[in-house]
Amino acid sequence: DAKTTQPNSMESNEEEPVHLPCNHSTISGTDYIHWYRQLPSQGPEYVIHGLTSNVNNRMASLAIAEDRKSSTLILHRATLRDAAVYYCILSTSGTYKYIFGTGTRLKVLA
Amino acid sequence: KAGVTQTPRYLIKTRGQQVTLSCSPISGHRSVSWYQQTPGQGLQFLFEYFSETQRNKGNFPGRFSGRQFSNSRSEMNVSTLELGDSALYLCASSLTPSGRDPYEQYFGPGTRLTVT
Repeated sequence: DAKTTQPNSMESNEEEPVHLPCNHSTISGTDYIHWYRQLPSQGPEYVIHGLTSNVNNRMASLAIAEDRKSSTLILHRATLRDAAVYYCILSTSGTYKYIFGTGTRLKVLA
Repeated sequence: KAGVTQTPRYLIKTRGQQVTLSCSPISGHRSVSWYQQTPGQGLQFLFEYFSETQRNKGNFPGRFSGRQFSNSRSEMNVSTLELGDSALYLCASSLTPSGRDPYEQYFGPGTRLTVT
């Protein structure tokens, strides 16, 4: 199963952009890249997903490297409510299992 | 639209007992997946059901089983509980099954199981 690697933790100041990196060097051609986040005491929440092209939605942007071996989740203006654990996941083709990594704990400073 | 609901929210069981957890997906969603979350192992995939059929299974012993009903509601059963089964069990529903885009999962709040 393809795996992802993320930094354990990151800090950001409120109202500044945040770039959360994810490495997935063993990604295969048909694997989608998904991002979820988990706020304290809640289940994970879908953020964004993509295959090859960069993606934008109301919550964030996803920048995918040309070789697809890495991606970056971009929060354009961090708020205190964005403090959460962010998971980068690959939907593994063939087995269709979601393999969650350890995630990045984002701390937002007021 | 109501979100994913899980019952019960909290449960305390004794070693050796069995437990059944319930998940009601978002209306119209036919895919339901179950995950176990522990501080040590993080979020681990248990299984996925779509249209009453198990599509995928994670690396868990046979004591963990599940099923899905015709109304897409799902149950998860753990038999012969062990202390290590103490965890937050999360259910997620999706309009489409895994492997079919867009595969966006919506998670419930989870059931906190404590085994003593």
